[in-house]
Amino acid sequence: DTGVSQDPRHKITKRGQNVTFRCDPISEHNRLYWYRQTLGQGPEFLTYFQNEAQLEKSRLLSDRFSAERPKGSFSTLEIQRTEQGDSAMYLCATFLRGGKAGANVLTFGAGSRLTVL
Amino acid sequence: AQRVTQPEKLLSVFKGAPVELKCNYSYSGSPELFWYVQYSRQRLQLLLRHISRESIKGFTADLNKGETSFHLKKPFAQEEDSAMYYCALRSGGSNYKLTFGKGTLLTVNP
Repeated sequence: DTGVSQDPRHKITKRGQNVTFRCDPISEHNRLYWYRQTLGQGPEFLTYFQNEAQLEKSRLLSDRFSAERPKGSFSTLEIQRTEQGDSAMYLCATFLRGGKAGANVLTFGAGSRLTVL
Repeated sequence: AQRVTQPEKLLSVFKGAPVELKCNYSYSGSPELFWYVQYSRQRLQLLLRHISRESIKGFTADLNKGETSFHLKKPFAQEEDSAMYYCALRSGGSNYKLTFGKGTLLTVNP
């Protein structure tokens, strides 16, 4: 395990369909973040987990969005009834707090690009 | 609320020329500032952070609290520096949530 893994890398869907993205974190990273990035913008925070607990949600996360991290390892981000405005890159990042090598740095995955037609 | 401003969307320089990517922030507390870089077809990665006070790939950045700035500088740009650069701010607390600027696309011409 050498990095944060996201799946799928690309998803094209029709408006109104549901989509789910998965993030597999770096082992031992107990914090997991979801960001969204639209064209011409920097990443925007959506939500984060510490282990299995979802500790904060952005106002960007409408009720059509739900994120889980059931066992404190991988996480899923589901978007229900997708809209064209949901088209974006969805980034997962993980974090280990502490004194180990590589700690205290937010490490990003390659992202899942969503296109809603 | 915190905000990060990168005034330049695009910056183009010639190889060997100095480069400065500007970043200004708005935050009432004591911030922690970062520069992230995204090379073509690669993931976003940390370049440097102000608390480390180190030079990475020849880049340095100094936090100026008086001017609320964290500009990224390199005295002699290289073609491989061409990338998208994002300035980010972590507000206080334990959540390590980052607020990003919109990014500056740096192109270093031969």
